[in-house]
This record gives sequence, structure tokens and C-alpha cells, in this order.
Amino acid sequence: QSALTQPASVSGSPGQSIAISCTGTSSDVGGYNYVSWYQQHPGKAPKLMIYDVSKRPSGVSNRFSGSKSGNTASLTISGLQAEDEADYYCSSYTSSSTYVFGTGTKVTVL
Amino acid sequence: QVQLVESGGGLVKPGGSLRLSCAASGFTFSDYYMSWIRQAPGKGLEWVSYISSSGSTIYYADSVKGRFTISRDNAKNSLYLQMNSLRAEDTAVYYCARGGRTTTDYWGQGTLVTVSS
Repeated sequence: QSALTQPASVSGSPGQSIAISCTGTSSDVGGYNYVSWYQQHPGKAPKLMIYDVSKRPSGVSNRFSGSKSGNTASLTISGLQAEDEADYYCSSYTSSSTYVFGTGTKVTVL
Repeated sequence: QVQLVESGGGLVKPGGSLRLSCAASGFTFSDYYMSWIRQAPGKGLEWVSYISSSGSTIYYADSVKGRFTISRDNAKNSLYLQMNSLRAEDTAVYYCARGGRTTTDYWGQGTLVTVSS
């Protein structure tokens, strides 16, 4: 199972909106509404930010939103803040009943 | 609150074995799928395995199939990962996480496994 494809880095200024893409295939992202997004700060465990493509767990800011079109899912962060600087990973259920992560995206707040 | 605490990591020689444990608290452990996910130093996340709430359904990544065994003890609120025939490329922080298949919502802080001679 190959990793889902994400851009290596995305940057934006405080207050701006950015989007991170996550491209898979019809056997994973495109085939199921089971895409999740995780935020990871250096030296910390990942934190779930979005699940089931667009649902937010309790306590996650509504500045984070998710969507999907075809084989590509996206995470949008609006009103970018310094604390959003972190690595972000997408994940998806697959047709093999396994789980696959994305390659990861480093978000930099300029 | 949900707590997951991993233990059992350390330094092991290539070809050796190690057993990781994850102690869960703050939720009804027997109601949830559980997963192991790893992260090599400076690299991205890699899913390793998940197990259903009863233990009857188990899946592994191809990279560990035949070498690693996931198991759980619902009476002890514990998840395990038996790792055999370890290789240098298995060096990583191993995270225990609640959930599996569709998403994982809580993660432990991880335990470092280093495979080196």
C-alpha cells in the first residue's frame, strides 16, 4: 500500500487561509468517506483534527475543515495562527481493510 | 480522561525480539478497536496493525506481516505488540492509538524502539 501524496510544505501569513491536499486512489481516499487529518507538533504525539472527511472532534477549532473530491481530500485552515505551525498527516481506510497515511505536510506560519 | 501509556521499547539487536505494551484507562477498553502506528526518526507516520474490540479481526501492514503480532487483554485493559525478527528499518517511535480501520482518536506518547548492533 503506497502512502497518500501530500505537498511537502505549505506556508501562509497569520490570518490567511491555507489548504493541504491529500491524493490517493479509488481504493482508498476515493472509495470511502474515512479520511482523517492529524496535527503533530515536534516531539509530540499526533492529534486528530478531522475524521470521516469533514467531521471535527470535540474541542477542535472550527478554523479547521475537511473536504473531498474524487481521489483527493483537503484540509483547510482558516485564520492561520502561530500555533497552527506543525506537521499534518492525512489517512484513509483502504480496500484491503488496512489503513494508510499521507506523506506529511509541514505548515509554516510566516 | 482517555490515557494510553506505552512501554517496552529499547535497544535490540537485528534479528531480536521485543514486546510492547499499552495500558489504557479512562474509557471502556473492550468497546474499541486499537491500533499500533510507528514513526521512524525524522520520517512520517506508518500504520502497523489494528485489532478489533474482541480480538477476532486483525490486520497488519505488509512491512511487518509474519514478524509482528498484535494482541489484547480486555480484562487488563492492555494492548500488546510482539515484534520478532527485528530489522534496522523497524527503528521508530511506536504509538498505541484508540480506534482502527476508519480513524484513531487518541494516541499515547509513544515508546522508542531502536534496532542496532
